[in-house]
Amino acid sequence: AAGVIQSPRHLIKEKRETATLKCYPIPRHDTVYWYQQGPGQDPQFLISFYEKMQSDKGSIPDRFSAQQFSDYHSELNMSSLELGDSALYFCASSLEGNSRSPEAFFGQGTRLTVV
Amino acid sequence: GQQVMQIPQYQHVQEGEDFTTYCNSSTTLSNIQWYKQRPGGHPVFLIQLVKSGEVKKQKRLTFQFGEAKKNSSLHITATQTTDVGTYFCAGKGGNTPLVFGKGTRLSVIA
Repeated sequence: AAGVIQSPRHLIKEKRETATLKCYPIPRHDTVYWYQQGPGQDPQFLISFYEKMQSDKGSIPDRFSAQQFSDYHSELNMSSLELGDSALYFCASSLEGNSRSPEAFFGQGTRLTVV
Repeated sequence: GQQVMQIPQYQHVQEGEDFTTYCNSSTTLSNIQWYKQRPGGHPVFLIQLVKSGEVKKQKRLTFQFGEAKKNSSLHITATQTTDVGTYFCAGKGGNTPLVFGKGTRLSVIA
């Protein structure tokens, strides 16, 4: 079965550079979540989209933005990168319209290292 | 906003011992989900609890949802080395996004 695809898997950027992370949700899933997980930390919710519209916003810095496109893939854009942005970024998708099983399916994550 | 607290943060057990992690939400939840994350991996869905007082079992794992739908627990009977990882609860309340607890990192000593 198709899973959530994230690209790239690894990314190394310098401070003040820009990064774009991509997420391709499971087909027919209507909700995409972005999470940031620092070393030894729990996943922190950044932002979510339901049917291509932003549905909720968490602890996402103003330097970050995200969008979901007509084909349901999502991109997380990160500008003016700081050392503290180094983390594992997970995308997850779910089918919120089916309230009986809204479990989130996570991608493998993108490991961002800012040097 | 909604907060999900999870304890303990770490648990080291001998193989064969039992293990329990507890989760408490600051608000009433519509459902609670449990995930397992192996070192270097991504969170993998284990189960979802929806009903007040619900108890579900998966082999050696027992999941409970409190009567008030604000707390939950995961109990593993007779741990094995394959149980190693971090167990996260994640609560969802109405239209709020999935909020994760800080996780319990389980180490199993053979």
